[in-house]
Amino acid sequence: NAGVTQTPKFRILKIGQSMTLQCTQDMNHNYMYWYRQDPGMGLKLIYYSVGAGITDKGEVPNGYNVSRSTTEDFPLRLELAAPSQTSVYFCASSGDGKVGGSYQATSTDTQYFGPGTRLTVL
Amino acid sequence: GESVGLHLPTLSVQEGDNSIINCAYSNSASDYFIWYKQESGKGPQFIIDIRSNMDKRQGQRVTVLLNKTVKHLSLQIAATQPGDSAVYFCADLGGSNYKLTFGKGTLLTVNP
Repeated sequence: NAGVTQTPKFRILKIGQSMTLQCTQDMNHNYMYWYRQDPGMGLKLIYYSVGAGITDKGEVPNGYNVSRSTTEDFPLRLELAAPSQTSVYFCASSGDGKVGGSYQATSTDTQYFGPGTRLTVL
Repeated sequence: GESVGLHLPTLSVQEGDNSIINCAYSNSASDYFIWYKQESGKGPQFIIDIRSNMDKRQGQRVTVLLNKTVKHLSLQIAATQPGDSAVYFCADLGGSNYKLTFGKGTLLTVNP
């Protein structure tokens, strides 16, 4: 398994440009996530998805959009890039936490992260 | 608001020494905790996790201790090696089953 893959690795955008950050996982995970990490800081959740066709906002969703048409892919869209979106973006995925066939509300599989996309907006 | 934080932003140790990285959390509903290691230019890598029904869990050279009374979590690395140099994050599931909250991280530097 390749795990979680992200493209591109690096990108420089001008203010107002748009782009899509790609994320793919081959572990058949239902849950997928997008985080951003600013220098010297922890990760902040942008959006997440608990399955194909379902997405929800995280802590810092403004300026971003997502879609989840398949289990494998979870692209992140920036419509009007701003300097405040300069950051490193990480995609992650995890299993659905089922134990013995029953969903456990407080159990989950570990989140596995991709290598990240370094985005600079000038 | 609820948050997960770290006591020390940096930690410098000698090779072979034991390292202890601390983390405080404030959400009493948190029931699952994870330690991640992040090397420069890479994504976070899972190290070890612990659930709230445990107070200690051991892995290979790593031990996580959980003190629910004072809402404190620690990561102990035995015989620290240069390859352990990285930023270490604690994260918790604060009552949710999939939305992790990350602390800022501790930079561990191992001196040869």
